[in-house]
Amino acid sequence: SQQGEEDPQALSIQEGENATMNCSYKTSINNLQWYRQNSGRGLVHLILIRSNEREKHSGRLRVTLDTSKKSSSLLITASRAADTASYFCATDAGGNNRLAFGKGNQVVVIP
Amino acid sequence: NAGVTQTPKFQVLKTGQSMTLQCAQDMNHNSMYWYRQDPGMGLRLIYYSASEGTTDKGEVPNGYNVSRLNKREFSLRLESAAPSQTSVYFCASSEVYIGELFFGEGSRLTVL
Repeated sequence: SQQGEEDPQALSIQEGENATMNCSYKTSINNLQWYRQNSGRGLVHLILIRSNEREKHSGRLRVTLDTSKKSSSLLITASRAADTASYFCATDAGGNNRLAFGKGNQVVVIP
Repeated sequence: NAGVTQTPKFQVLKTGQSMTLQCAQDMNHNSMYWYRQDPGMGLRLIYYSASEGTTDKGEVPNGYNVSRLNKREFSLRLESAAPSQTSVYFCASSEVYIGELFFGEGSRLTVL
């Protein structure tokens, strides 16, 4: 299946630093979404970016989309301990009209 | 609002037993989904219902059946559980198909 693939898989940073993670996909998309999952909990939607958009912001989150490179990045600015979570990208790539998730990025913010 | 509610939260089964995972949403969403999450595998789509009255197979449907009982409820049934179905199961819903998904808290199933 054409899933998004996040990079890096794991990231450990100090509180206050920025965290950047990337997602790549293989075929054209209509939209790309980012989700957060705290340990033992369900996923929470963060941002949806459409294929005709290049950048979106939500609070301390910034998502970019480069359709020519088939990649997206999620930037968390001024990280907090509460940002410790796994982050997933999801795309409708692959032409099968399904939303497929990547394997996730584990981010640890050290107080 | 409760959002998406899944029951049960935990279940232990023996190989060959059957069970149904229940999911209900109170957001009047049209689409509902069942995913499973395994370590190192991310989330994989089992079945989905793009709208009330329709269901379709996802990436890993073998061994499962679903029922879209009404607009609110979408159940997942394991007819004869196997150890390979040990996983965390997530139900989700969205207002429009493949829009913003709202997830339940998960159902942790162990098959011995």
